[in-house]
Amino acid sequence: AQSVAQPEDQVNVAEGNPLTVKCTYSVSGNPYLFWYVQYPNRGLQFLLKYITGDNLVKGSYGFEAEFNKSQTSFHLKKPSALVSDSALYFCAVRDRNRDDKIIFGKGTRLHILP
Amino acid sequence: GAGVSQSPSNKVTEKGKDVELRCDPISGHTALYWYRQSLGQGLEFLIYFQGNSAPDKSGLPSDRFSAERTGGSVSTLTIQRTQQEDSAVYLCASSPRAVWGRWEQYFGPGTRLTVT
Repeated sequence: AQSVAQPEDQVNVAEGNPLTVKCTYSVSGNPYLFWYVQYPNRGLQFLLKYITGDNLVKGSYGFEAEFNKSQTSFHLKKPSALVSDSALYFCAVRDRNRDDKIIFGKGTRLHILP
Repeated sequence: GAGVSQSPSNKVTEKGKDVELRCDPISGHTALYWYRQSLGQGLEFLIYFQGNSAPDKSGLPSDRFSAERTGGSVSTLTIQRTQQEDSAVYLCASSPRAVWGRWEQYFGPGTRLTVT
């Protein structure tokens, strides 16, 4: 069955430090992977995606993510965190072999400490 | 351009009543999704449409939940005989599936449903 896991409910990072939000996935075929962000009292926004090609993908607001097929991971990263990055982050996966169903992880709350 | 819109933004209803939630996707987007987000929780997949058909209804929590989409555009999610556990934010998203690789979803602001 198609699934995605975000092992950390919350991540705390000091402003200016690098941040990583973890995501692992399980699909029957090759995956399409996404990251979304939900700022307080705002809707979900698309950050970046991996479809094919380079394993390192760059997205909005200076975020990037690395696709690792052997580890079935798609961790979200940023070299230097900002307080304004504090939000709820969701990883999502679409199974290439299963039409358009997209499954989301439970979310990781990121706190950037000033 | 216009984004995904949902109505109403807030709905308070009494237990046992029926409610209808509406989603207007971005024009031209062929795929439409419904999710539920409970307080502090992740996104629970409910159903998605490709055009007017729903290939996967496996996420609907019970037979009290139903959804339809007409004209490949507007969708309504209906909850019959609402229960308190139905209280959540219901999110709608659309994506331009017809374009290869353009599977990112555009979310509406959600409908906050409170069942008293």
